[in-house]
Amino acid sequence: GESVGLHLPTLSVQEGDNSIINCAYSNSASDYFIWYKQESGKGPQFIIDIRSNMDKRQGQRVTVLLNKTVKHLSLQIAATQPGDSAVYFCAETAYSSASKIIFGSGTRLSIRP
Amino acid sequence: EPEVTQTPSHQVTQMGQEVILRCVPISNHLYFYWYRQILGQKVEFLVSFYNNEISEKSEIFDDQFSVERPDGSNFTLKIRSTKLEDSAMYFCASSPNNSPLHFGNGTRLTVT
Repeated sequence: GESVGLHLPTLSVQEGDNSIINCAYSNSASDYFIWYKQESGKGPQFIIDIRSNMDKRQGQRVTVLLNKTVKHLSLQIAATQPGDSAVYFCAETAYSSASKIIFGSGTRLSIRP
Repeated sequence: EPEVTQTPSHQVTQMGQEVILRCVPISNHLYFYWYRQILGQKVEFLVSFYNNEISEKSEIFDDQFSVERPDGSNFTLKIRSTKLEDSAMYFCASSPNNSPLHFGNGTRLTVT
């Protein structure tokens, strides 16, 4: 069936470096994509979102890139900090329908001091 | 900042027993959701609720599951007869419109 998946299950990054977390999606009907951060013992926390009419969106230290041609989504975190350690999930949905959000498998980001 | 709150944080129950997981969504939100996460796996959609009725549900949400909004503030998930495989983190979420969803910190359900 249709699914959202991640290329890498774990990512280790030096503190201060930039992190790039990738995600592939397969549902052509999805037009809204979200990145969530999940820290240990907590629920998913919204980071940034992007609609399909855009290919880039920037937040504070985070940027999401969307490539609809190859159905690829990425999250870039600038100047990675210890507090960025978490599991990161991409998620997809159809914006207009208030439909369910489908989560990907998650990437664990660990920060080396 | 308003939060989605869930109680209890951890629920232990015996197989075959009924459990009710409770959630207080953010007060001005209109859309409510339950998700679950089996340990080490991804977050899975269970059910969405809008205008006092279920708007969508997954295959996981079978006849053993039900949701209710008994008053203006609570949103509950009931599992009628728990199975071992129901052990998971259950997350409640709400949103004011379509997205994004705001999640609570979950209830860990352990079925023994």
